[in-house]
Amino acid sequence: AQKITQTQPGMFVQEKEAVTLDCTYDTSDQSYGLFWYKQPSSGEMIFLIYQGSYDEQNATEGRYSLNFQKARKSANLVISASQLGDSAMYFCAMRAQGGKLIFGQGTELSVKP
Amino acid sequence: DSGVTQTPKHLITATGQRVTLRCSPRSGDLSVYWYQQSLDQGLQFLIQYYNGEERAKGNILERFSAQQFPDLHSELNLSSLELGDSALYFCASSVSTSRQETQYFGPGTRLLVL
Repeated sequence: AQKITQTQPGMFVQEKEAVTLDCTYDTSDQSYGLFWYKQPSSGEMIFLIYQGSYDEQNATEGRYSLNFQKARKSANLVISASQLGDSAMYFCAMRAQGGKLIFGQGTELSVKP
Repeated sequence: DSGVTQTPKHLITATGQRVTLRCSPRSGDLSVYWYQQSLDQGLQFLIQYYNGEERAKGNILERFSAQQFPDLHSELNLSSLELGDSALYFCASSVSTSRQETQYFGPGTRLLVL
């Protein structure tokens, strides 16, 4: 069975510092996609970054980067230079066979001024 | 703005009632997914459509049904509502069902059953 685990229910970070949100996954598939979404208090789900299982380079999108360690089955999100607007829930997800997304439980990030 | 629209944004109704949630996917996207987000269950996949056909079912109750129309918009019907159905319902879309492709989410419909 496929599973996503996020072990940090809540995290605090000082403004302008970097923070890493952990995500581990379990799958027997060779081909899969890993995604991070941000959910602010307003409720919408915002796509942040994607990593394909065959990608050799770690994905980056602006201040977001994904630390992909395939052998360890981890896909941690790194946010550099945190901003107050980064305060939100962050979900790691894997796209399973057939296309549905399987989500972790989420990490609530609070950025302190 | 993801390009996925959902209506209504908020819905308050009573137990036993029936409601319809509507979703319009991004232009060009053929695949539509419905998810439910609740405090106790987290984000759960409900059902998937691709170009008008049902492709996969998740933890969707028998009281719930959905369809995708020829213009590709989708509707999720929830009937005989119970208090536990109160949740945030998301629609997401993508061009195909590929595992490498990003799903873009609508703003969600927040359902409150009283």
